[in-house]
Amino acid sequence: DAGITQSPRHKVTETGTPVTLRCHQTENHRYMYWYRQDPGHGLRLIHYSYGVKDTDKGEVSDGYSVSRSKTEDFLLTLESATSSQTSVYFCAISAPRYNEQFFGPGTRLTVL
Amino acid sequence: TQLLEQSPQFLSIQEGENLTVYCNSSSVFSSLQWYRQEPGEGPVLLVTVVTGGEVKKLKRLTFQFGDARKDSSLHITAAQPGDTGLYLCAGAPTSGSRLTFGEGTQLTVNP
Repeated sequence: DAGITQSPRHKVTETGTPVTLRCHQTENHRYMYWYRQDPGHGLRLIHYSYGVKDTDKGEVSDGYSVSRSKTEDFLLTLESATSSQTSVYFCAISAPRYNEQFFGPGTRLTVL
Repeated sequence: TQLLEQSPQFLSIQEGENLTVYCNSSSVFSSLQWYRQEPGEGPVLLVTVVTGGEVKKLKRLTFQFGDARKDSSLHITAAQPGDTGLYLCAGAPTSGSRLTFGEGTQLTVNP
């Protein structure tokens, strides 16, 4: 199994509070991704990183920011959480060949 | 924006039946991947198909990439309850690093 961990695994927070989710990899892969998964929408890309301090937006980036100060860590921040950001968040890394992706176990976030 | 349409969205069958899941697009992909996801876990890669017309088999699962590299199918023979899960297809673009995911097929195999 690819060495990807996410923390926390579950979080309940209130509307308007900032939230940071962490993704940690031990594989030294260059590319890392943050997705959200919601019923009826599948996996949607929020942000991705192609190296330390190199990030780009995905299709649903509004209300989210990311940072990558080390190869192994990719942080996702909800600047001011809203109920529409209640979701399951997955981090992934990709192998260089064919962009095959390996996912972390997910973080279930509930915004009340 | 590349789109992948996956069908059916839900499938409930009896153990021993065969089934096919489809993944279609109007876009050409450099490769297409199939993932399986179980409740409470992240998706896990099953297979990658790269060449138009390619067929790959993984035990009772058969994956095919369309000749034009715009579509793919997953066929399961003699389904078992352990095959239950969410099956996702994902296309890799001809350039760039972002996958396009289908919405998934939720398969339930009843004993």
